[in-house]
Amino acid sequence: EAGVTQSPRYAVLQEGQAVSFWCDPISGHDTLYWYQQPRDQGPQLLVYFRDEAVIDNSQLPSDRFSAVRPKGTNSTLKIQSAKQGDTATYLCASSFGERLFFGHGTKLSVL
Amino acid sequence: GDSVTQTEGPVTVSESESLIINCTYSATSIAYPNLFWYVRYPGEGLQLLLKVITAGQKGSSRGFEATYNKETTSFHLQKASVQESDSAVYYCALGDPTNAYKVIFGKGTHLHVLP
Repeated sequence: EAGVTQSPRYAVLQEGQAVSFWCDPISGHDTLYWYQQPRDQGPQLLVYFRDEAVIDNSQLPSDRFSAVRPKGTNSTLKIQSAKQGDTATYLCASSFGERLFFGHGTKLSVL
Repeated sequence: GDSVTQTEGPVTVSESESLIINCTYSATSIAYPNLFWYVRYPGEGLQLLLKVITAGQKGSSRGFEATYNKETTSFHLQKASVQESDSAVYYCALGDPTNAYKVIFGKGTHLHVLP
């Protein structure tokens, strides 16, 4: 069974640039999560979906961050105008039940 | 709010010594929280180590154990005799089974096991 796939693995940006992260969850998993993990911190939930619907995006900085999951499968997280404070690893996870399966993450550095 | 607090690392122990990583939680908006320990081994993604979804029960995996104590709101991770291969970052997490399994993580505890 294929795991959760994320791309790219790394991204380096200047402040003000845009970036998109892509996630392909495990087939059949109805719930998909995006987490932000700053260095030496735990994963912090940004947004999560059940199928194509956003369940909770209250922690997503909505002025610059957006996330979609249009067909209830793959998902894209976009940062419109990156800031140095966005430097972190962005993790995607999927589940069908209480256990989360994580991708390897995208490590973002904003210079 | 809902949160998880765990032992700050790094924690360094020698092989064959015992280990305890403390975890306490606050679940003000979750009536029946599920509790988890996740682990990230070097070079690998985050993965589930063990879970307990009922208060009073014990979970175990790879020699690790944790008991869900609702009275003390704790879920400490223990192992009687660690191995060098247990070196990793361990995360305690709290889940809400009524809210699409929203999961909140602690900051993580980096464990170094010396040979």
